Amino acid sequence: KQEVTQIPAALSVPEGENLVLNCSFTDSAIYNLQWFRQDPGKGLTSLLLIQSSQREQTSGRLNASLDKSSGRSTLYIAASQPGDSATYLCAVRPSKTSGSRLTFGEGTQLTVNP
Amino acid sequence: GAVVSQHPSWVICKSGTSVKIECRSLDFQATTMFWYRQFPKQSLMLMATSNEGSKATYEQGVEKDKFLINHASLTLSTLTVTSAHPEDSSFYICSALMQGPAGELFFGEGSRLTVL
Repeated sequence: KQEVTQIPAALSVPEGENLVLNCSFTDSAIYNLQWFRQDPGKGLTSLLLIQSSQREQTSGRLNASLDKSSGRSTLYIAASQPGDSATYLCAVRPSKTSGSRLTFGEGTQLTVNP
Repeated sequence: GAVVSQHPSWVICKSGTSVKIECRSLDFQATTMFWYRQFPKQSLMLMATSNEGSKATYEQGVEKDKFLINHASLTLSTLTVTSAHPEDSSFYICSALMQGPAGELFFGEGSRLTVL
């Protein structure tokens, strides 16, 4: 059974810092991995999607890497801003089958202080 | 990114009534949608997988007669909480799987249900 772990559970940093969020998964047989952001009382916003054949994806100040063999992914946030404060979730999808379910980590709650 | 619209965003109802929540993929087709429930400060719990034109697949422990799911078109899935009780109060979130090789999931904004 796939298990996804996110470390740290919570993180508080001053504005402007670069930071790394970690995600690990136990079964390396994945189809893709997705990073999401969730603001309080809201749904999830997709940030980055990495296919199993890819090593990294970038969008603006965000960079996500994937090391499938070691079961790890990191989300790098450059020059953090107070607006980045949210819960960040990673999720892995096991196969291409449309019904294949995502397995989520418990999330990292990020607070960026002005 | 693609847009998934969920409605209503919040609803308050009396115990015993039924509540319907809609999930629409606005700019793409989705043969598969997922319904989740989220408790405060917890991650998402998958309730069921909704497949266009066929019956939904429910996760273990989720009552299919309690949570009716209909996926009548490629852009719309509905979740009906029947005979709602206070313990059904929760945050319900849907997601839609964009067709294609990428397999990217997009989520709705969520629906906060409060049963009095």
